Amino acid sequence: SYVLTQPPSLSVAPGKTARITCGGNNIGSKSVHWYQQKPGQAPVLVIYYDTDRPSGIPERFSGSNFGNTATLTISRVEAGDEADYYCQVWDSSSDPFGGGTKLTVL
Amino acid sequence: QVQVVESGGGVVQPGTSLRLSCAASGFTFNTFGFHWVRQAPGKGLEWLAVVWYNGSNIRYTDSVKGRFTISRDNSKNTLYLQMNSLRVEDTAVYYCARDLEPYCGGDCPFNYWGQGTLVIVSS
Repeated sequence: SYVLTQPPSLSVAPGKTARITCGGNNIGSKSVHWYQQKPGQAPVLVIYYDTDRPSGIPERFSGSNFGNTATLTISRVEAGDEADYYCQVWDSSSDPFGGGTKLTVL
Repeated sequence: QVQVVESGGGVVQPGTSLRLSCAASGFTFNTFGFHWVRQAPGKGLEWLAVVWYNGSNIRYTDSVKGRFTISRDNSKNTLYLQMNSLRVEDTAVYYCARDLEPYCGGDCPFNYWGQGTLVIVSS
């Protein structure tokens, strides 16, 4: 099965840059999607196909995917960015979601 | 506008059955694939099943294969999840989610999610 590894937590000060990683074997050859989930709410797609951003998602959110690591980058972090973030990679043999990373804004 | 609304959750005993529904509107239902995703209390997202836009292909995660059945009624713009032989560990919020793109082969990202419906399995 294909395993996606995310750090359980990440803390960043307001105004700084948050980089949330999603590790997987040769993940750079696959498409990665990212979701933001705030407490009590459904997930929201923030990045798809590695780097694309849905309408309404701030330009501060960006993605990259090379080698064995995909990264969701949030620039100029704001208090409202505090949430859980999940990567998603489709592989026929596995659950497509990573374990999630809780982003805390200090 | 696009709306996706789940219903049918509740408190049930282990071993019993429950059927969840997901009513969709605001788009051409029969051109999009749909998924069920659940989230146990305090845990991460777990993908459960997908049904293609035309119902021709269905896939399940191993943990629900043989117990859960995903289906859709394109005439009613509704997605279903029939859950049988429920276990305590099936307790979760269940979400339905729509593919980003029409006619996707079950491996698209999801751009619309319902608000979720809570299923509690307890004796």
